Amino acid sequence: GDSVTQMEGPVTLSEEAFLTINCTYTATGYPSLFWYVQYPGEGLQLLLKATKADDKGSNKGFEATYRKETTSFHLEKGSVQVSDSAVYFCALSADPGGSYIPTFGRGTSLIVHP
Amino acid sequence: DTEVTQTPKHLVMGMTNKKSLKCEQHMGHRAMYWYKQKAKKPPELMFVYSYEKLSINESVPSRFSPECPNSSLLNLHLHALQPEDSALYLCASSQDRRNTEAFFGQGTRLTVV
Repeated sequence: GDSVTQMEGPVTLSEEAFLTINCTYTATGYPSLFWYVQYPGEGLQLLLKATKADDKGSNKGFEATYRKETTSFHLEKGSVQVSDSAVYFCALSADPGGSYIPTFGRGTSLIVHP
Repeated sequence: DTEVTQTPKHLVMGMTNKKSLKCEQHMGHRAMYWYKQKAKKPPELMFVYSYEKLSINESVPSRFSPECPNSSLLNLHLHALQPEDSALYLCASSQDRRNTEAFFGQGTRLTVV
């Protein structure tokens, strides 16, 4: 079945450091890929998405590129802020036979220190 | 309005109680979802409604009963829950079941005592 593998956290960084959170996937067909962010005590917010190979999603300084050859969708940010501290979920949606089934990775906690 | 609103935000209930969680969206979305999220875990899909009809039930115990009264509302009726059902319950919606961009509510933090 479809699956998403994320790097284990927590990831701990100092403010202004470079961030990479790795995400790889297994899916049949051509899934859409997403990054969601969950701040403490809140629901999930869509951070960015990509719907086909080589697409780059970007938002709030975060970027991720849909790499079909490596089945990856790594999240990057050039300079993190304390306010970026949250849990980040990589997700995919595949559409086998018309049934959209969203699949989430385990989540990676990011802690940014001043 | 790009919000999904869930009420209540917090709920404590006994194992013999009956309660309901509510979810509302006014984006014209025709697919709505219930997820359960335990601490430090990803959300787990429970139910999917598409055009007010239940289309996916991920083998959820019958003590959880979803209801979709109209295209804007989604309820989750709870009865005879167990302490292990304590979790964050998230509602989400998307334009339709084939549109994969989901908007999530803030969740209801449920504690079963």
